[in-house]
Amino acid sequence: DIQMTQSPSSMSVSLGDTVTITCRASQDVGIYVNWFQQKPGKSPRRMIYRATNLADGVPSRFSGSRSGSDYSLTISSLESEDVADYHCLQYDEYPRTFGGGTKLELK
Amino acid sequence: QVQLKESGPGLVQPSQTLSLTCTVSGFSLMDYSVHWVRQPPGKGLEWMGRMKYDGDTYYNSALKSRLSISRDTSKSQVFLKMNSLQTEDTAIYYCTRDSGYWGQGVMVTVSS
Repeated sequence: DIQMTQSPSSMSVSLGDTVTITCRASQDVGIYVNWFQQKPGKSPRRMIYRATNLADGVPSRFSGSRSGSDYSLTISSLESEDVADYHCLQYDEYPRTFGGGTKLELK
Repeated sequence: QVQLKESGPGLVQPSQTLSLTCTVSGFSLMDYSVHWVRQPPGKGLEWMGRMKYDGDTYYNSALKSRLSISRDTSKSQVFLKMNSLQTEDTAIYYCTRDSGYWGQGVMVTVSS
């Protein structure tokens, strides 16, 4: 199975920060990585699809990038509504696999 | 609009079988695949398996021996059955279409 190693597992952030979360794939998954935001008690919400594409309705301060087997989600000028958990997912191969998640907390 | 909704018992006894239903609307199960994903309390997401639009299934190898996914296209429903439940199976269970649309999830507690 493909492993998605997500880092950091948690991050203490301030409003206005630029935040970057990374997932490293254990083998090539091409562009087939999604990023999700999840708030307490809510279902995951897809933010980025195919590594770099912004999902409908997602603010432009969110962006996705790829460098080799490293996939990153960046939030520019963090707002309070962005404080949440974030997950990556590879869907190049079955079984699909998620990263371990990143929890953003306000300082 | 596209909607998915999970339903099932909130409490299951250890060693028993879990049966969940995902009822969809706004699309046909013969056009889109539906996946099951679960999340233990305070933990990350785990992909469980998939019902493909053509009726084919694929399971997480860690769950394959216990898990079965089926569907009734006439009722727009996808079913999950998992046997030999243990406390570690306590989780929120979600169904999702293409990971772009998610149900609200159903909390399942395994306890006597």
